[in-house]
Amino acid sequence: NAGVTQTPKFRVLKTGQSMTLLCAQDMNHEYMYWYRQDPGMGLRLIHYSVGEGTTAKGEVPDGYNVSRLKKQNFLLGLESAAPSQTSVYFCASSATRVPRTEAFFGQGTRLTVV
Amino acid sequence: KQEVTQIPAALSVPEGENLVLNCSFTDSAIYNLQWFRQDPGKGLTSLLLIQSSQREQTSGRLNASLDKSSGRSTLYIAASQPGDSATYLCAVREAAGNKLTFGGGTRVLVKP
Repeated sequence: NAGVTQTPKFRVLKTGQSMTLLCAQDMNHEYMYWYRQDPGMGLRLIHYSVGEGTTAKGEVPDGYNVSRLKKQNFLLGLESAAPSQTSVYFCASSATRVPRTEAFFGQGTRLTVV
Repeated sequence: KQEVTQIPAALSVPEGENLVLNCSFTDSAIYNLQWFRQDPGKGLTSLLLIQSSQREQTSGRLNASLDKSSGRSTLYIAASQPGDSATYLCAVREAAGNKLTFGGGTRVLVKP
C-alpha cells in the first residue's frame, strides 16, 4: 500500500536550472497539495488541486507551477530555481467523503539550490 | 484568510506528565481539523482527525477536542513518554475551497 509517493527524495540544483517534483497517490483522492517547510516557518501551501485538471494558488505560489493532468499525479515545477527555494517539499492528498477525509503526506523532497 | 496558531512553540515536560497542546484558528468555517506528529527530518504522521460536526476524537493515550465556535482545538497526551518527543502540528481544512492550513507546530521534549 504505497499511499503518497514523492520523487525524487533529494536533489541539488544550480541557480537557474529547472526541475519537476512528482507526487503520486494510489488512494483515488480528489484533493492534492504541495507545501514547503522551512525552519521556523511551518508548512506553507504552494499550490493545491481539488480535482483532475484543476489547480489553485496557495500562500506562496511565486516561482512555482503545477499540473494535475491525471487524478493520481500532481506535479510541481520550478522553471528557474533560486536559492530561496531551498526547502523541504511535501505533497499531500485527501478524500472528499466522510469519514475518511484526513490528509496523507509523502515523505518529502529535500531540495538544495546552490 | 485562515490563520492557525499553536502556542507554545516549544514545551518540555518530565516523563509521566500529561501533555496539553493548543491550536487556534481564526475562521470557524472549517471542514475538519487534523493533528500530526513530525519527527526530525521525517514526514508527517497523522494522529487524529476531527470532523467539524464532532467535538472530540480519541486514540489510545491521545485525545483531541474541537470547539469550532471559539476556534480552538486541544490535543491531550496522557502519561507522556520519551518516545512522544516530536513536533506536533495541527491543520485546518476550510469548508469552502478546501485549503489545508497548518499551524507553526509545538516542539515537545519529554525528559526521562
